[in-house]
This record gives sequence, C-alpha cells and structure tokens, in this order.
Amino acid sequence: DQQVKQNSPSLSVQEGRISILNCDYTNSMFDYFLWYKKYPAEGPTFLISISSIKDKNEDGRFTVFLNKSAKHLSLHIVPSQPGDSAVYFCAASLNSGGSNYKLTFGKGTLLTVNP
Amino acid sequence: DGGITQSPKYLFRKEGQNVTLSCEQNLNHDAMYWYRQDPGQGLRLIYYSQIVNDFQKGDIAEGYSVSREKKESFPLTVTSAQKNPTAFYLCASSILAGYEQYFGPGTRLTVT
Repeated sequence: DQQVKQNSPSLSVQEGRISILNCDYTNSMFDYFLWYKKYPAEGPTFLISISSIKDKNEDGRFTVFLNKSAKHLSLHIVPSQPGDSAVYFCAASLNSGGSNYKLTFGKGTLLTVNP
Repeated sequence: DGGITQSPKYLFRKEGQNVTLSCEQNLNHDAMYWYRQDPGQGLRLIYYSQIVNDFQKGDIAEGYSVSREKKESFPLTVTSAQKNPTAFYLCASSILAGYEQYFGPGTRLTVT
C-alpha cells in the first residue's frame, strides 16, 4: 500500500515556464515532507522541505506548497531550466514521537524541460 | 570536502556469492541508511542505523546484512539469500534520524 503517491510518471515543460510536480499521501500522521532531485546513476539530492505547521516554503526558484486537508503537496519550479530535467521524488516522514527514522518515498516523476 | 562515498560505482558478481558494498561518510552524521532502487520504483529502505553498534531492519531487509562498528562506516552485505540482488543501491546519512538525508552516488550491482 503506497503511502506516498506521485501519480504522474512524467512531465514535459518548456524552458522558462512553470513546472508543477504533485504528490499525495495517505498517512495523516506524516508531518514532514521533502523533495529530492535525482539524475540517472547518481544519488538523490535534497531540494527543499516543509513542516506540517507551514503551508508554503520557498527557496529560490523552488516553492513547495502543502495542503494538509487534501493530503497533497506540490513543488513549483519557476522558471524551469533544461538543467532541471531529472526525476523528482517526494518523501514524507513522521518527525515526532521518536519514530522519525524513516522517509517514505513516492515512485518519482521524470521532468523534462525542453529548450 | 564533506560527503558520502560509495564504492565501487559498478559491481558484478556471480549468483551464489555474497558481496559487500561500502559506504563511508565524513559528515559526522549519527544516522545512516541503505536503500535500493529498482526501475520505475521509489527508494525502498533496507536497513538503517541511528547510532554506532545499533541498526534496525527496514522494509526489505531479507537477504541483506549490515554492521555499524564505526560512526563513519555502514557496509551492506548482499547475501546469496537475496532473490533479486541486481539493483541500484544507495547509502544515505542524516545528522540525526528524521532530519534531511544526504545520499551517496550509489552502487549498481549486477548479479548473473
């Protein structure tokens, strides 16, 4: 049973436009969410995170939005650049109660930014 | 230059052989993790360790073993009992369990 779902396996956008990557989760106890970027044959790179006490976190071109009632988060990349082309993983964890060892990952979305 | 190193990048083994994947970090992180990635799949947790001399099974620990004798090292042994060992293996660490995890470059293991 997938607790973190990325329903779009791929997304293609034009350079300069906005990329929106979506992620849904089922476990309402998750209280910390992260986005990772991964190039082929490399380890994932941490991008941005958000705690459940917030609904938005911004870092340069990257913004993550969290809608707790809908159990949905999204990553916005503006403007998109060809170097952003990669697989993006959404991850969630329980950051309280001492059981915070584990990140649960989605299956990833392949973003292609076309010049 | 702080980071996580995994060696080798590519590893080939014959079926029935045990193989050990190396993971070293010089970030002074307490927690370390091993994941496996298969095509079209997310990352699945094999084992994790929150402190030296302690480790716990993740979601898919069968056929794997680990040790954590030093803070900076967390080697993973893929045993002959692992039915589908061919995969991309990723090691990660975090300052404490539950914080952002930082990943190594990965080892692609092929067993034939």
